[in-house]
Amino acid sequence: EPEVTQTPSHQVTQMGQEVILRCVPISNHLYFYWYRQILGQKVEFLVSFYNNEISEKSEIFDDQFSVERPDGSNFTLKIRSTKLEDSAMYFCASSELAGPNEQFFGPGTRLTVL
Amino acid sequence: AQKVTQAQTEISVVEKEDVTLDCVYETRDTTYYLFWYKQPPSGELVFLIRRNSFDEQNEISGRYSWNFQKSTSSFNFTITASQVVDSAVYFCALSETMTGFQKLVFGTGTRLLVSP
Repeated sequence: EPEVTQTPSHQVTQMGQEVILRCVPISNHLYFYWYRQILGQKVEFLVSFYNNEISEKSEIFDDQFSVERPDGSNFTLKIRSTKLEDSAMYFCASSELAGPNEQFFGPGTRLTVL
Repeated sequence: AQKVTQAQTEISVVEKEDVTLDCVYETRDTTYYLFWYKQPPSGELVFLIRRNSFDEQNEISGRYSWNFQKSTSSFNFTITASQVVDSAVYFCALSETMTGFQKLVFGTGTRLLVSP
């Protein structure tokens, strides 16, 4: 069964460093998303992406964040200068169609900023 | 504003008990979708169900059932004859027309602990 994959599963970085979180969405999906979950808290929407453009972003998704689909398979989230409060689980998701279809989530990348 | 409230932070039951997880939502939209996701200890998010705002029929899938009531803005989830493997955090989520259904708004989750 096709699934969303994410690498790495755990990333440890120093404050101020840049990190890139990688995701491979399901191959025929066209809509991509990033969410984050601070430990013990709810899952929060960051950004949605379609046709090589950001469709919508939340207030959390400030200038420190960027997304890219560098090739036909990967979807990345870059944090330019990490802060302690960026420590969280980051989930990538994809959906086949527009609209309220099921979003398939990846297993997440746990980011720890020291 | 869109909001999802899961007032139950944690529920503990003994195996074979029935348990209901509550979800109350707020939206100004007339067309919206509600979801339930399961997050087991391994951390991934597993889709359970999607329900649109025009379909108030209850749904049953095995031991799982969902009760959608627009009058009370609730979308509750019941597990019948709970099992240890049901132990997880369960999230209710909302998706609206106004945002082009581009994002899911999650509740804070309910942690369910099922003991043998």
